Amino acid sequence: EVQLVESGGGSVQPGGSLRLSCAASGFTFSSYWMTWVRQAPGKGLEWVANIKQDGSAEYYVDSVKGRFTISRDNGKELLYLQMNSLRAEDTAVYYCARDPPGGNAYYFDLWGRGTQVIVSS
Amino acid sequence: DIVVTQSPDSLAVSLGERATIHCKTSQSVLSGFSKLNYLAWYQQKPGETPKLLISWASNRESGVPDRFSGSGSGTDFTLTISSLQAEDVAVYYCQQYHGPPPKTFGQGTKVEI
Repeated sequence: EVQLVESGGGSVQPGGSLRLSCAASGFTFSSYWMTWVRQAPGKGLEWVANIKQDGSAEYYVDSVKGRFTISRDNGKELLYLQMNSLRAEDTAVYYCARDPPGGNAYYFDLWGRGTQVIVSS
Repeated sequence: DIVVTQSPDSLAVSLGERATIHCKTSQSVLSGFSKLNYLAWYQQKPGETPKLLISWASNRESGVPDRFSGSGSGTDFTLTISSLQAEDVAVYYCQQYHGPPPKTFGQGTKVEI
């Protein structure tokens, strides 16, 4: 079955760290750009970061630059998001999403179910 | 960054009636090279994950009912649900993917009966 399954979310105090993981299955993970998208409680979708197929390029939304790092392990078919210096405004459901085939970063044709991150003292 | 603005924020439509959602981008998302509009539409039902409905502004994904259609070019786009069904109650998002990141989303439009 083609799917993405996120894990690693939880509750953390401001300034703390978390590492999210996304396990891919049912498709050739190494052939796709991958993206993290988040959704704060009751709010809309926010693009967070993406990474090229071979990990040679990564991009971030300004609000997380210098604090979050996206990475991937193609051998294990895993996508990661290391989140440091967490703030209350990072509280959200974090989705792992797959870009379509073809080599470039576009829209998202496959989404995971998400993992909840709560940043609170 | 390209700013994406949807209107209205919410709308109530009777069953069987037409629902129209607008999406405006702060810069053109039409590629001069490919002549394609780099815009997608998603549906997020309550408690569920977003689902891709339309890519390239008007290309309906496999399995999406034909009552959903996308149109527009440049900076102005529209998602139309021709005959609203109960299962279409959801929040709808447009997203631009033209140029470098971030690949920004609109704020969402809530469709109710």
